[in-house]
Amino acid sequence: DGGITQSPKYLFRKEGQNVTLSCEQNLNHDAMYWYRQDPGQGLRLIYYSQIVNDFQKGDIAEGYSVSREKKESFPLTVTSAQKNPTAFYLCASNRDTNSPLHFGNGTRLTVT
Amino acid sequence: QQPVQSPQAVILREGEDAVINCSSSKALYSVHWYRQKHGEAPVFLMILLKGGEQKGHDKISASFNEKKQQSSLYLTASQLSYSGTYFCGTEIGGSGYALNFGKGTSLLVTP
Repeated sequence: DGGITQSPKYLFRKEGQNVTLSCEQNLNHDAMYWYRQDPGQGLRLIYYSQIVNDFQKGDIAEGYSVSREKKESFPLTVTSAQKNPTAFYLCASNRDTNSPLHFGNGTRLTVT
Repeated sequence: QQPVQSPQAVILREGEDAVINCSSSKALYSVHWYRQKHGEAPVFLMILLKGGEQKGHDKISASFNEKKQQSSLYLTASQLSYSGTYFCGTEIGGSGYALNFGKGTSLLVTP
């Protein structure tokens, strides 16, 4: 079955360390997205990519970086510059604007 | 640029109806609705693509008023399984592909 795989489900890091969250899809979708979810804040867009080797910043891109070297993969790096990195991170993809978003099961990152 | 959802939370008894609203300060090209259960990924409910068009899913339907830059989600004869947090997502003008989500509406259906 096609879907989006995020790994790991839980991630713990010390403050000051960079950490990379994995997102892989086998749905053959062109567009991929990273959202951050905090209690009461909804889903906020970090980065998105419409095609390979191209991506755009969302509303809260500061302290994050991404790459899109393959259509199937869109890893997110949370850098030490991100002031409040502890959150639930969701990766999503869709075929085009008028198509539903398919979400991964998320990665819960805790930085202490 | 987040759309505004109202109410923030609602509690219903099984069988009652509810309406969740989503409004934007910018022109809406499309509106998506998703439901998320605690600890799970959001699940797609429906997309509204043009003004006035309603699409339904069982006893859940929605409307989209382009002029008012609003969408509403209607839950009829609610079931226990409807409990969760509902999010509307609106297409960011000019980006083509990225959705901006509201803060969500928490819905609890009780027996």
